[in-house]
Amino acid sequence: QSALTQPRSVSGSPGQSVTISCTGTSSDVGHYDFVSWYQHHPGKAPKLIISDVSNRPSGVPDRFSGSKSGNTASLTISGLQAEDEADYYCLSYAGTYTFVVFGGGTKLTVL
Amino acid sequence: EVQLVQSGAEVKKPGESLKISCKTSGYTFTSYWIVWVRQMPGKGLEWMGIINPIDSDTRYNPSFQGHVTMSTDTSINTAYLQWDTLKASDTAMYYCSRRRAVTGDVNFDMWGQGTMVTVSS
Repeated sequence: QSALTQPRSVSGSPGQSVTISCTGTSSDVGHYDFVSWYQHHPGKAPKLIISDVSNRPSGVPDRFSGSKSGNTASLTISGLQAEDEADYYCLSYAGTYTFVVFGGGTKLTVL
Repeated sequence: EVQLVQSGAEVKKPGESLKISCKTSGYTFTSYWIVWVRQMPGKGLEWMGIINPIDSDTRYNPSFQGHVTMSTDTSINTAYLQWDTLKASDTAMYYCSRRRAVTGDVNFDMWGQGTMVTVSS
């Protein structure tokens, strides 16, 4: 299974916005509106921050938003805060055989 | 309160067997599939597979098929991940999570704290 493609790292200053892309294919991201995003601080459990492309689970700040265009999903974090520094992963449904595929992960650094 | 509590860290030798657990509470166990995710040192998250507690229907990532076995015990709301023959390359953190029993759902909304498995001679 090929991982979804994410930039290895992004950075931004407090208060700025950053966007993390997640590029798949017409068999996964481009075919289904089933994309989720996870925030992972080292040593802690991953946390679901975006479900079904653009929905925010309860308790997730509205600074986090998701979208999708074609084969690429995106996570935007606005008003960067120091605690946003973490690894971010996208995940897409890929059909009944492959089932799911993760992105390779993006390390966000808050400068 | 929904909780997924995993068993503690393990140190094993190559060739040994291992079974780690993920004990759930606070929700109807059979309403969610259990997912297992691996994170090797310094690497990203990898989906290992998923199991339906109702009928033990299991889907494995082909990369893990044949090397691990997933199971559940609905009487104690617990999921298991086991290896018959560990390799040094199995050294990793392993997470359990859950997803709704809905086609296409990939919202892993609750996670265990992780079980660190170290395989070394």
